[in-house]
Amino acid sequence: EADIYQTPRYLVIGTGKKITLECSQTMGHDKMYWYQQDPGMELHLIHYSYGVNSTEKGDLSSESTVSRIRTEHFPLTLESARPSHTSQYLCASSEFGGAGTGELFFGEGSRLTVL
Amino acid sequence: GQNIDQPTEMTATEGAIVQINCTYQTSGFNGLFWYQQHAGEAPTFLSYNVLDGLEEKGRFSSFLSRSKGYSYLLLKELQMKDSASYLCAVRDGRGGATNKLIFGTGTLLAVQP
Repeated sequence: EADIYQTPRYLVIGTGKKITLECSQTMGHDKMYWYQQDPGMELHLIHYSYGVNSTEKGDLSSESTVSRIRTEHFPLTLESARPSHTSQYLCASSEFGGAGTGELFFGEGSRLTVL
Repeated sequence: GQNIDQPTEMTATEGAIVQINCTYQTSGFNGLFWYQQHAGEAPTFLSYNVLDGLEEKGRFSSFLSRSKGYSYLLLKELQMKDSASYLCAVRDGRGGATNKLIFGTGTLLAVQP
């Protein structure tokens, strides 16, 4: 069972609010990721990190920002939420290299609705 | 760029066998993954292929042909709980130690009694 946690699981907020989606993992993985997924659609990578103080933008442009101050923690922030940000946000981590396959372990997701 | 194609939906009968195909076009390839995702839940890892051939894991098997850009996931002895979306994902092999996964849209499998 993966040890990666996201909060909140569900969030309904008004336009213009600042929100932070939390993601923590206890597996000691260096690599962490944020994916965005709309219903019935593919997962799109929006941010990733290969270690502390390392963050990169993913393949899908996003107005959100991330930080990686601690290995286990990779929060995502929206400074001013809009209805177009309504989506499910999935956090993942992996250990790549060595004998492992480098599969991603996913959190249960944060479903955001912006009114 | 990356392009991953899977059928959108499939239906199969409990106890039967189903094969879900995935074709991909990538500028760099460093492995292919299959994930299962139940509605409203996180994806969970099923299988990994990096060399050509078949990988078997209980009721699930996955096949890869790198020259054809093709993979399939085979599910045997289908159970009702196998009703889920099955995601094909390719690891981007560019840039050395990158581990970015590019996902297909997923195949929604409905298992009927």
